[in-house]
Amino acid sequence: GNSVTQMEGPVTLSEEAFLTINCTYTATGYPSLFWYVQYPGEGLQLLLKATKADDKGSNKGFEATYRKETTSFHLEKGSVQVSDSAVYFCALAREGATNKLIFGTGTLLAVQP
Amino acid sequence: DAGITQSPRHKVTETGTPVTLRCHQTENHRYMYWYRQDPGHGLRLIHYSYGVKDTDKGEVSDGYSVSRSKTEDFLLTLESATSSQTSVYFCAISGSTNEQFFGPGTRLTVL
Repeated sequence: GNSVTQMEGPVTLSEEAFLTINCTYTATGYPSLFWYVQYPGEGLQLLLKATKADDKGSNKGFEATYRKETTSFHLEKGSVQVSDSAVYFCALAREGATNKLIFGTGTLLAVQP
Repeated sequence: DAGITQSPRHKVTETGTPVTLRCHQTENHRYMYWYRQDPGHGLRLIHYSYGVKDTDKGEVSDGYSVSRSKTEDFLLTLESATSSQTSVYFCAISGSTNEQFFGPGTRLTVL
């Protein structure tokens, strides 16, 4: 079946460190891939997306590249800030599936000053 | 931000009582979803709707029902709440693209 696997958290980094959060997926066809972010006490917000192989999604300094050959969509940021502390969710949407999303379990990022 | 609200934002209830959560949107989006969020599970889809009066089950639908009588409102009902339904519930909406926009969530505690 379709699934998303994320690295376990928490991930603890110092300010200005490089961030990678790994995400791999299993899906038939050509899904769209997403990263959502959830700040404390809030709902999820779309961070970035990619809809086909080799697409790179980017927003607020975060990037992720859709790698079909490795079925991965790793999230990266070159220099994290304290304000990036949040839970990050990787998700996929299958083709023609009423826009339903399948989420990973989330990765908590804590950035220390 | 997408116009999506949830009510109530917090609720404490007792086992065996009925509970209804409301999701309201002002975006006229076709699709609406209810998720629950629990530690270690991420978000899991409970039910979704693809139009007025058109709904279907998600992966964790047991013990829940939904109704959508208007485009803007999607109700989630727990007919007889149980402690295992203590969770944070999120509503989401989606339109012509496959992006989903989320509400602020409802924290439900069943004692």
